[in-house]
Amino acid sequence: GAVVSQHPSRVICKSGTSVKIECRSLDFQATTMFWYRQFPKQSLMLMATSNEGSKATYEQGVEKDKFLINHASLTLSTLTVTSAHPEDSSFYICSARASGSGYTFGSGTRLTVV
Amino acid sequence: SQKIEQNSEALNIQEGKTATLTCNYTNYSPAYLQWYRQDPGRGPVFLLLIRENEKEKRKERLKVTFDTTLKQSLFHITASQPADSATYLCALAESGGATNKLIFGTGTLLAVQP
Repeated sequence: GAVVSQHPSRVICKSGTSVKIECRSLDFQATTMFWYRQFPKQSLMLMATSNEGSKATYEQGVEKDKFLINHASLTLSTLTVTSAHPEDSSFYICSARASGSGYTFGSGTRLTVV
Repeated sequence: SQKIEQNSEALNIQEGKTATLTCNYTNYSPAYLQWYRQDPGRGPVFLLLIRENEKEKRKERLKVTFDTTLKQSLFHITASQPADSATYLCALAESGGATNKLIFGTGTLLAVQP
């Protein structure tokens, strides 16, 4: 079945630094990738949608300059949290989808900003 | 406003009983609805998909119903086991041009007591 690999699984960074999270589709080409954020005991909130080779579409209220998304190939998308602050601490999850297929989720990245 | 609500934050049942989880949506016209399982610190795992023209779908001990008039889906786990304990999420695919964004409900934490 379709597998999505997300790295790192956990990261701790200092306030003001940037962190990059990678999302790879291992055995299929992902025409679309999605990035979600999940706070404790809450559901997944969609942050942005990215199609390979084009700019990401951000949801209302999500700062595109703070959460940089790059979908440079059909198997890789990255989310960079720039100038991270403690309030950015959260669980980030990516999802990948091939055209006409279902959604496969990564295992998530726990970001802690100290 | 658009909402996807799941009946309760938490549901406790005895092993062997049937768990019934509810998903209600407002101001959406989904072509299909999905159910996912999420374990702590992990990404969601796909369970079942039901289309708007389907009333019921089954997979092993799982059953999903979809009532587009009531704007509601019910998710049943029969002969529940402690291993079924997890958070269950319903999700709608919202059409957005070439991509279908997956929007999640609030989630229900199921605890199956031995």
